[in-house]
Amino acid sequence: QQQVKQSPQSLIVQKGGIPIINCAYENTAFDYFPWYQQFPGKGPALLIAIRPDVSEKKEGRFTISFNKSAKQFSLHIMDSQPGDSATYFCAATDSWGKLQFGAGTQVVVTP
Amino acid sequence: SAVISQKPSRDICQRGTSLTIQCQVDSQVTMMFWYRQQPGQSLTLIATANQGSEATYESGFVIDKFPISRPNLTFSTLTVSNMSPEDSSIYLCSVRTDVREQYFGPGTRLTVT
Repeated sequence: QQQVKQSPQSLIVQKGGIPIINCAYENTAFDYFPWYQQFPGKGPALLIAIRPDVSEKKEGRFTISFNKSAKQFSLHIMDSQPGDSATYFCAATDSWGKLQFGAGTQVVVTP
Repeated sequence: SAVISQKPSRDICQRGTSLTIQCQVDSQVTMMFWYRQQPGQSLTLIATANQGSEATYESGFVIDKFPISRPNLTFSTLTVSNMSPEDSSIYLCSVRTDVREQYFGPGTRLTVT
């Protein structure tokens, strides 16, 4: 049973567009929500993370939006570039628990 | 952050043999983990490597198949024993820092023939 549901499975956007990846969870004990970026042949890289006491966090062109009441969070990639083409994973965990990963979203940014 | 290295980066092994994967971290960390990632799939936790004690395995993974060592706070090994083609996968070492950030190594790409 997957504790974090991620969608879409894949998406294609043009350069400059804003791909949006959505994740939902059920466990209200989750209190830490990281996103990972993975390029082919590489390990996942920690991109950005949020805790439920804030509704939005930005780091460069990457923004996480968090809706605690809906138990949903999303990643927005502003002004996307072809170099952002990768697989993105959302995850969630409770205090010192194990990371629960979403299924992943393959993002392709066309020139 | 933490810088993680793994050896080997890739290997092709014959059925029935064993492979030991090494994971080295550039700083002392309490929590180390081993994951498996099959092509196009998400990450599956194999076990938590505990320093000074036996590893804690997830459902579906057993010590006889995936023995783990953790001799100190910067190093761990995962052995994939008696391999079959179903073990072909990417194996990833991961560490968690004191501020709950979790980092991954580059992975070991294993092909079993």
